[in-house]
Amino acid sequence: QKEVEQDPGPLSVPEGAIVSLNCTYSNSAFQYFMWYRQYSRKGPELLMYTYSSGNKEDGRFTAQVDKSSKYISLFIRDSQPSDSATYLCATRPSNDYKLSFGAGTTVTVRA
Amino acid sequence: DTGVSQDPRHKITKRGQNVTFRCDPISEHNRLYWYRQTLGQGPEFLTYFQNEAQLEKSRLLSDRFSAERPKGSFSTLEIQRTEQGDSAMYLCASSLGQLQVTGELFFGEGSRLTVL
Repeated sequence: QKEVEQDPGPLSVPEGAIVSLNCTYSNSAFQYFMWYRQYSRKGPELLMYTYSSGNKEDGRFTAQVDKSSKYISLFIRDSQPSDSATYLCATRPSNDYKLSFGAGTTVTVRA
Repeated sequence: DTGVSQDPRHKITKRGQNVTFRCDPISEHNRLYWYRQTLGQGPEFLTYFQNEAQLEKSRLLSDRFSAERPKGSFSTLEIQRTEQGDSAMYLCASSLGQLQVTGELFFGEGSRLTVL
């Protein structure tokens, strides 16, 4: 079993829709939770990170972590065609900077 | 451009040949990571360096793989006697490690390997 499981895609939504992306993880030592965005044939880039449980909002993006259920979510409001990409959840313990990634969910926002 | 750079971006080789990839990290970053990403999967950790020291290697890194980071600057990843199963995107990332709270990894655009 992989340490991080991500809901498979792909997802196709109309412009303006809310996109919901989800991951679960198995290692209770994980403390840092990140979302990376990867455009086609590019390297991943950090979108958001959270530490421990809670919510974090940045513009149209909201990241949620529920450590009790080992559940990670990313919400994209008012989605735009430029949001079309693969979204990767990632996590790590506090004493190890090596990230464990989910498999990624490919999102297409239709104009 | 002061980001992580990787070379070559795409390499096509025949099975059994050796290939080498180069990564130039962000200049002030002391940590350098190699990941492998296959189609439809997330990046998988291969190895990482702190300065010139290779501190951890994944069990995914078989004896045919070797990585170096001489003088703690650029790094090379060599694959000997390539196999078709080695076909993947090889991603390099660098970070400030514990000098930055998030430990954010900054990725390059990757080197895509196709083994025929």
